[in-house]
Amino acid sequence: ELKVEQNPLFLSMQEGKNYTIYCNYSTTSDRLYWYRQDPGKSLESLFVLLSNGAVKQEGRLMASLDTKARLSTLHITAAVHDLSATYFCAVDNGNQFYFGTGTSLTVIP
Amino acid sequence: DSGVTQTPKHLITATGQRVTLRCSPRSGDLSVYWYQQSLDQGLQFLIQYYNGEERAKGNILERFSAQQFPDLHSELNLSSLELGDSALYFCASSADLGAGNTIYFGEGSWLTVV
Repeated sequence: ELKVEQNPLFLSMQEGKNYTIYCNYSTTSDRLYWYRQDPGKSLESLFVLLSNGAVKQEGRLMASLDTKARLSTLHITAAVHDLSATYFCAVDNGNQFYFGTGTSLTVIP
Repeated sequence: DSGVTQTPKHLITATGQRVTLRCSPRSGDLSVYWYQQSLDQGLQFLIQYYNGEERAKGNILERFSAQQFPDLHSELNLSSLELGDSALYFCASSADLGAGNTIYFGEGSWLTVV
């Protein structure tokens, strides 16, 4: 079974700082997805990465994919409070989506 | 708004009862997925349907069942409910997998079993 691991599971960071969330997966795939979830809310699609070396940026968030290392990163630049949420990565193997455990991010003023 | 519609939004029921959660996928999406999210288990994949046929099964209990109808809406049936079934149940939909199509989540159905 395909496994998707995220780290850290919990992240508390100060406003204005930079940090990276890591997503490792256990089998070959060149399709990786990032989602954001606010407490008690739905999951919102952030990024879709479809090839090795893909990089997508939206505001203070930048996601990248290294299919050879089976690794995706979600980089946060100059964090602001509004980024506080849980972030999930997911991999699809052509048949099913596999989600990571999520990273709960809290940005402290 | 993702375009995926789930009803009811909130549901409170007693142990031993049965409930049905309903999902309408985005227009044109043939795949429907059901997920359960609880504090202690995280986001758990339950089952996937594609154009009316079961395509993948995850950690779905025998007390739970689902189906996708010809009009592509789906229902998740939860029976003999236990306190531990209290969770947020998400439906999601996508065009077919394998082409980089992301899946879009509904707002979820909050189930509380008392």
